[in-house]
Amino acid sequence: AQSVTQPDIHITVSEGASLELRCNYSYGATPYLFWYVQSPGQGLQLLLKYFSGDTLVQGIKGFEAEFKRSQSSFNLRKPSVHWSDAAEYFCAVALSGYSTLTFGKGTMLLVSP
Amino acid sequence: GAGVSQSPSNKVTEKGKDVELRCDPISGHTALYWYRQRLGQGLEFLIYFQGNSAPDKSGLPSDRFSAERTGESVSTLTIQRTQQEDSAVYLCASSQRAGGSYGYTFGSGTRLTVV
Repeated sequence: AQSVTQPDIHITVSEGASLELRCNYSYGATPYLFWYVQSPGQGLQLLLKYFSGDTLVQGIKGFEAEFKRSQSSFNLRKPSVHWSDAAEYFCAVALSGYSTLTFGKGTMLLVSP
Repeated sequence: GAGVSQSPSNKVTEKGKDVELRCDPISGHTALYWYRQRLGQGLEFLIYFQGNSAPDKSGLPSDRFSAERTGESVSTLTIQRTQQEDSAVYLCASSQRAGGSYGYTFGSGTRLTVV
């Protein structure tokens, strides 16, 4: 069955430290890949997306993600985390020609001083 | 409008009552989606509209749930005879067109609490 897995439910990172959030997918072909962020009481905001081409994609707020076909992964990274990055992060995938995004269960990022 | 607008932002209802949730998509976006987000869970797809085509209702959890959309305008999600397990945040999103290559723009959601 097709699925999206975010193995970490919670992650705590010190402010200024680097961040990596994991996302793995299980699909027959390379899907379209997305990362969204949800701040408390807000809807989801698109951080970045990968369709094809360069496997390292840059997004907003200093985030980047790398697609690794061999590992079926699309991990989100940031070199230096700010307190305002504390939020829940969702990985999502869509198959070309399909009309809905499938979301992972999310990773809650806590930033410690 | 500039973004996806949902109303109300919060709704508390008694078990057994019907509720209507509204979504106003971005002007010109032909595709509209409803998702449910229960506490500690990811987003659960409910229903999707694309223009005047028949909606994809494959995610609706029971026949108590229904949704309508007229053309490419406002959509209403209706939950009849609400149950406590319906308590969740209901998120609406729209996209320029259907298909995985178009990211979604989400509204801020309606937090539904069934007491």
